[in-house]
Amino acid sequence: AQSVTQPDIHITVSEGASLELRCNYSYGATPYLFWYVQSPGQGLQLLLKYFSGDTLVQGIKGFEAEFKRSQSSFNLRKPSVHWSDAAEYFCAVGDQTGANNLFFGTGTRLTVIP
Amino acid sequence: DVKVTQSSRYLVKRTGEKVFLECVQDMDHENMFWYRQDPGLGLRLIYFSYDVKMKEKGDIPEGYSVSREKKERFSLILESASTNQTSMYLCASNGVNSPLHFGNGTRLTVT
Repeated sequence: AQSVTQPDIHITVSEGASLELRCNYSYGATPYLFWYVQSPGQGLQLLLKYFSGDTLVQGIKGFEAEFKRSQSSFNLRKPSVHWSDAAEYFCAVGDQTGANNLFFGTGTRLTVIP
Repeated sequence: DVKVTQSSRYLVKRTGEKVFLECVQDMDHENMFWYRQDPGLGLRLIYFSYDVKMKEKGDIPEGYSVSREKKERFSLILESASTNQTSMYLCASNGVNSPLHFGNGTRLTVT
């Protein structure tokens, strides 16, 4: 069965510190993987996606993610967090048709302290 | 930029009312989706549509219906609203081999 696990419900980091948000997936076919960010009261914005090729993908706002097939993981990273990064982050997995139907994790809420 | 517009940011309805949530996209996308978002549950798919007048049930379709009379518009209908349908509703769209683009959401409260 398809599923996405984000084991951290809430993470707090200091501004300027590095960040890693974890995502593990279970998917029967070749996965297409995504990270979305949701600011309070807003919809979801795509940060980055992995379809194929280089397993380290760069996204917007200085984020990157690494696909590790052996670990079924797609962790999101940022070397230096800014206060504006405080939001909720969702990992999602889809199929080869272009992710017409995504399975979402339950999200990780990021708090940034000065 | 793709724009997905949900007509209402906030709605308050009474139990038993018929509720319409409207969504419009401006990129000629074939696919449109309705999700609901609840704390601790993430996003759950209610219905989706691959084409005009076509619809498919998602994971939690009970108590909902949808309408897609035009390619750009996808409506979610609560035939008789109940308090357990209080939630954030998110509309999304995409084309072939492209990621989902989301609207800003409609926060519905049913009292």
